[in-house]
Amino acid sequence: EDQVTQSPEALRLQEGESSSLNCSYTVSGLRGLFWYRQDPGKGPEFLFTLYSAGEEKEKERLKATLTKKESFLHITAPKPEDSATYLCASASGSARQLTFGSGTQLTVLP
Amino acid sequence: NAGVTQTPKFRVLKTGQSMTLLCAQDMNHEYMYWYRQDPGMGLRLIHYSVGEGTTAKGEVPDGYNVSRLKKQNFLLGLESAAPSQTSVYFCASSLPRQGTEAFFGQGTRLTVV
Repeated sequence: EDQVTQSPEALRLQEGESSSLNCSYTVSGLRGLFWYRQDPGKGPEFLFTLYSAGEEKEKERLKATLTKKESFLHITAPKPEDSATYLCASASGSARQLTFGSGTQLTVLP
Repeated sequence: NAGVTQTPKFRVLKTGQSMTLLCAQDMNHEYMYWYRQDPGMGLRLIHYSVGEGTTAKGEVPDGYNVSRLKKQNFLLGLESAAPSQTSVYFCASSLPRQGTEAFFGQGTRLTVV
């Protein structure tokens, strides 16, 4: 059974204080590791897909990295508008079904 | 572009009532999914479809049925609602090829009393 675990559950940062979110996964037949952002009352919004160990992707203040067992979402000099819940998910199976972690709720204080 | 549209956005049901949640996508995606999101548990897959006329069970299918009569629509039915089905339901769609992501709707908040 595929498993995805995210830590920490919640993270409070001061504006400009860099940090990392962790996602550990156990998946047979990984077909992608996904990061999504979810704002309150909205659906998840796609950020990144990673496929192989060593792969990195960046978008503005966010950088996602992948190893054989973990993925990290690094947030550099965050701003209050980065406050959201960040979801990690692994894709597997014939329809690339997603298995989600429970998310990290990030709050960036001005 | 509308993307993935879910109807309704909110609903309150009494125990034992039935209802259908509608998901419509305008991106010509083959794959469609229904997830439920509960506090502290993340999103869990209920049912999915790889094409018109096909459906399959996900992680938590009990108490739900689905149908995909048209490629753009994916319906989720609750035949006899239970309080345990109180949740936020998300529909998603994607293309079948590697390198593409799933797009999510805005969710349906369902309360069963």
